[in-house]
Amino acid sequence: DAKTTQPPSMDCAEGRAANLPCNHSTISGNEYVYWYRQIHSQGPQYIIHGLKNNETNEMASLIITEDRKSSTLILPHATLRDTAVYYCIVRVEGDKIIFGKGTRLHILP
Amino acid sequence: DADVTQTPRNRITKTGKRIMLECSQTKGHDRMYWYRQDPGLGLRLIYYSFDVKDINKGEISDGYSVSRQAQAKFSLSLESAIPNQTALYFCATSDLAGLSYNEQFFGPGTRLTVL
Repeated sequence: DAKTTQPPSMDCAEGRAANLPCNHSTISGNEYVYWYRQIHSQGPQYIIHGLKNNETNEMASLIITEDRKSSTLILPHATLRDTAVYYCIVRVEGDKIIFGKGTRLHILP
Repeated sequence: DADVTQTPRNRITKTGKRIMLECSQTKGHDRMYWYRQDPGLGLRLIYYSFDVKDINKGEISDGYSVSRQAQAKFSLSLESAIPNQTALYFCATSDLAGLSYNEQFFGPGTRLTVL
């Protein structure tokens, strides 16, 4: 079973920051939070991951709460190309991935 | 990602037929995975292999079998296809070292229809 809960869909205006929430209240101490996205029917694409500290890369930022029970993926300036399904996953580093249903993000022009 | 290829990309078959989906990778990764995706749902893990001699069942292995012929090749077989195996199938790879340690790389997918 997926260990995360995400809203099924969200809208965001183009150019604004998209904030995608994820609840993972049963996360273990050695499990990381990962984010992938899937554009249309393409293979999923890795975005970012983190353990305790906030992380940022060229694609996004990941904010993890201090108790690690939830996190938020931030796309700072959403474009139409960011329209996709976003999956929040918790896993031990290097382990297999169990996908949930994800959040379908619609970027509105 | 051209480093992970899947053949065929589309296949229509009939109930009861044996089908093989193939996956090849040039990334030099040890780990390979097979997933299926049904409309509106996330990916579900069928089988995975952490090296050539290692095969593991995933969430939904019934009705499927796999073969890891080499480090670079991982095949998925449907011994007797049934209509509810109609889905989009993805192969993925990952590695145990370096930048690839935390990331899985996915192929373009195979769309399988069983009539």
